[in-house]
Amino acid sequence: SQQGEEDPQALSIQEGENATMNCSYKTSINNLQWYRQNSGRGLVHLILIRSNEREKHSGRLRVTLDTSKKSSSLLITASRAADTASYFCATDRRETSGSRLTFGEGTQLTVNP
Amino acid sequence: DSGVTQTPKHLITATGQRVTLRCSPRSGDLSVYWYQQSLDQGLQFLIQYYNGEERAKGNILERFSAQQFPDLHSELNLSSLELGDSALYFCASSPLAGYQETQYFGPGTRLLVL
Repeated sequence: SQQGEEDPQALSIQEGENATMNCSYKTSINNLQWYRQNSGRGLVHLILIRSNEREKHSGRLRVTLDTSKKSSSLLITASRAADTASYFCATDRRETSGSRLTFGEGTQLTVNP
Repeated sequence: DSGVTQTPKHLITATGQRVTLRCSPRSGDLSVYWYQQSLDQGLQFLIQYYNGEERAKGNILERFSAQQFPDLHSELNLSSLELGDSALYFCASSPLAGYQETQYFGPGTRLLVL
């Protein structure tokens, strides 16, 4: 089963509005990362938040992490048509060695001009 | 541009065949990761190599194998291909062994098995 589950699966908003996507996970993590993917293309890293952090900002992006609820949210403020993409959360779980990201199914964001 | 390169971009082959996907990590990165993205299973971790050695293994089929060479580039070999192996295969890299590190993804290789 997927470690991360995004909610909603699809989101359609108007340019200028804020977009909020949520992610839940099941096990203890080292960190949680958000990625963006334009249709069928490569994954672009947006932000990494460590398990001991509660909030991080990067430009128009704000990520929160609540380890007690095993959930995270990604807020994109003042959205633009160019923000249209799929957004994935990925958890880096505590492993005995190595690192692996476990991805959720993604949220498809459509920003209408 | 993440600095991770993958070749080829597209690959079309037949069932039963074998293919090799190549990945060059960002300059200086020691870890390489392979992921598979398919419609039915989403993005799945396959395997990680760190400085030439296997470090972590995910849901990688026995028909698949990978290695990392002394110059740190990596190859993913897929053999006895089946229709269900059609997917986007991504390579990612990170500076060290991955702990608390961002993974930088390449553009992917789109494999179509006919």
